[in-house]
Amino acid sequence: DQQVKQNSPSLSVQEGRISILNCDYTNSMFDYFLWYKKYPAEGPTFLISISSIKDKNEDGRFTVFLNKSAKHLSLHIVPSQPGDSAVYFCAANYHSGNTPLVFGKGTRLSVIA
Amino acid sequence: NAGVTQTPKFRILKIGQSMTLQCTQDMNHNYMYWYRQDPGMGLKLIYYSVGAGITDKGEVPNGYNVSRSTTEDFPLRLELAAPSQTSVYFCASGRTGGNSPLHFGNGTRLTVT
Repeated sequence: DQQVKQNSPSLSVQEGRISILNCDYTNSMFDYFLWYKKYPAEGPTFLISISSIKDKNEDGRFTVFLNKSAKHLSLHIVPSQPGDSAVYFCAANYHSGNTPLVFGKGTRLSVIA
Repeated sequence: NAGVTQTPKFRILKIGQSMTLQCTQDMNHNYMYWYRQDPGMGLKLIYYSVGAGITDKGEVPNGYNVSRSTTEDFPLRLELAAPSQTSVYFCASGRTGGNSPLHFGNGTRLTVT
């Protein structure tokens, strides 16, 4: 049973436009969410996170939005650049817990020049 | 800064052979994890450790063993390799539990034939 779902395996976006990557979760106890970015032949790298006490967190071109009632979060990349082409993983956990992160299956983003 | 180092990068095993995937981190992190990534399947947790001498099973532990004798090292052992263990293996470490970003190694690509 997948607790973190990324329903779009892939997404293509034109350079300069907005990329929106979506993530849904089923466990209402999750209260901390992270996005990781992965290039081929490399390990995932941390991108941005959000706690459930917020509904938005921004870091440069990257913004994560959290809708707790819908159990949904999204990552916005504006403007998209060719170097953003990668696989993006959504992950979730309990902020106060010591249990491991639960990852989604990932979405492959292709930014076309 | 070396971060998380995994060796080897690639390995081909015959069915029934054994091997150890090495992982070491130089960030003095207490938490360490082993994940496997199958195509289109995201990251699945194999084993994790919250400190030296303590290990726990993840989602897919069968066919693997781990040990954590030091803070730095967290080797993953495959005793009787099977084709189902063909995957890319990632080791990760973190300062605390799930509410701090994980640092990943660059992975070991294992093929069992």
